[in-house]
Amino acid sequence: LAKTTQPISMDSYEGQEVNITCSHNNIATNDYITWYQQFPSQGPRFIIQGYKTKVTNEVASLFIPADRKSSTLSLPRVSLSDTAVYYCLVGGITGANNLFFGTGTRLTVIP
Amino acid sequence: EAGVAQSPRYKIIEKRQSVAFWCNPISGHATLYWYQQILGQGPKLLIQFQNNGVVDDSQLPKDRFSAERLKGVDSTLKIQPAKLEDSAVYLCASMTSGRAGEQFFGPGTRLTVL
Repeated sequence: LAKTTQPISMDSYEGQEVNITCSHNNIATNDYITWYQQFPSQGPRFIIQGYKTKVTNEVASLFIPADRKSSTLSLPRVSLSDTAVYYCLVGGITGANNLFFGTGTRLTVIP
Repeated sequence: EAGVAQSPRYKIIEKRQSVAFWCNPISGHATLYWYQQILGQGPKLLIQFQNNGVVDDSQLPKDRFSAERLKGVDSTLKIQPAKLEDSAVYLCASMTSGRAGEQFFGPGTRLTVL
């Protein structure tokens, strides 16, 4: 089970770019890296997923170095509505080995 | 596309009582998960189904928790008897087979055990 390490909390001002880094030193060859966002009183919501290099969608970018032992979620120009807990997970296509959420990073966006 | 449905949204019971939660996944999603999320912590996987078969239930406290997914669609999670430490939000999620990691979560059921 590839566990992850993230900062417990981060603060950012509105309009800034936020980068949240996750360490996953024991990532396996067939593991993907997935990030989720969770607002209070809601279930987590999928943000982005990648295997290597860079992935970008309409919400965020995910940077994965060649050794894949860490990854960075980048949120461009955050707004107050981005205040949430962000979880990094690593795991394969099937099976339960991608389902360890950890405690996540609590991002607070300040006006 | 309808999302994952869960009921009830809230439940308050006394310790030693029984409780059941229901989940209806997104249509066509073969994989279904139940998670327990204690306040201030990340979700913890309890059980994973693939269609109506159990893939992983290694973290399910089987002396008091049970789950089933009849006909490979809806699922129920039961706690009997409940303990104070079972107070948590119980989340259901579903995923299409073969796609890594993109789980769709329901709103959860908040359980309070008094």
